[in-house]
Amino acid sequence: LAKTTQPISMDSYEGQEVNITCSHNNIATNDYITWYQQFPSQGPRFIIQGYKTKVTNEVASLFIPADRKSSTLSLPRVSLSDTAVYYCLVGDGAGRRALTFGSGTRLQVQP
Amino acid sequence: GAGVSQSPRYKVAKRGQDVALRCDPISGHVSLFWYQQALGQGPEFLTYFQNEAQLDKSGLPSDRFFAERPEGSVSTLKIQRTQQEDSAVYLCASSLEPSGKNIQYFGAGTRLSVL
Repeated sequence: LAKTTQPISMDSYEGQEVNITCSHNNIATNDYITWYQQFPSQGPRFIIQGYKTKVTNEVASLFIPADRKSSTLSLPRVSLSDTAVYYCLVGDGAGRRALTFGSGTRLQVQP
Repeated sequence: GAGVSQSPRYKVAKRGQDVALRCDPISGHVSLFWYQQALGQGPEFLTYFQNEAQLDKSGLPSDRFFAERPEGSVSTLKIQRTQQEDSAVYLCASSLEPSGKNIQYFGAGTRLSVL
């Protein structure tokens, strides 16, 4: 499974755009890139998934360059409720089903 | 149900006791997963079921850990002779189908404290 590297923590203020970049140099051809969000005392929650270029949903955008060795999760105009840990995962859709989480990025949004 | 349900939310056990943790996956979801999350760490995979078949148990840390899903729906994770190092949050997740993009839906977890 491809290993991911992401910042341990980030700080932001309400209303700002936050970009969290994840490195996955050994990503395989059939790997998807998936981001999860986890609040204290809750399980991880799926945010967004992509394979290449750009994906956008009502929560976030995911930017993936052509070489797919990194990806950036973009959260527009964050609020205090976006304070959470964000995990970047890579894996293929047909192989080992277990998700491999790293330590994630702890985002702290200040008022 | 609306989401993955786990019970109990909190469990305190004395060292050496057996515990059983329950997971009710989203109705119709074929795949079910158990993860263990230590404080400040990301979840770590324990085991995976496709319907009632346990297809991967490579993450179970010892033979004291046992999981079952006899009818392909509800699952139970059992830990025998609990040790202090078993203290963690145990997360259950389910996904709709065994192939595809593997989006998993997590419950809130059971926090196990072994004294």
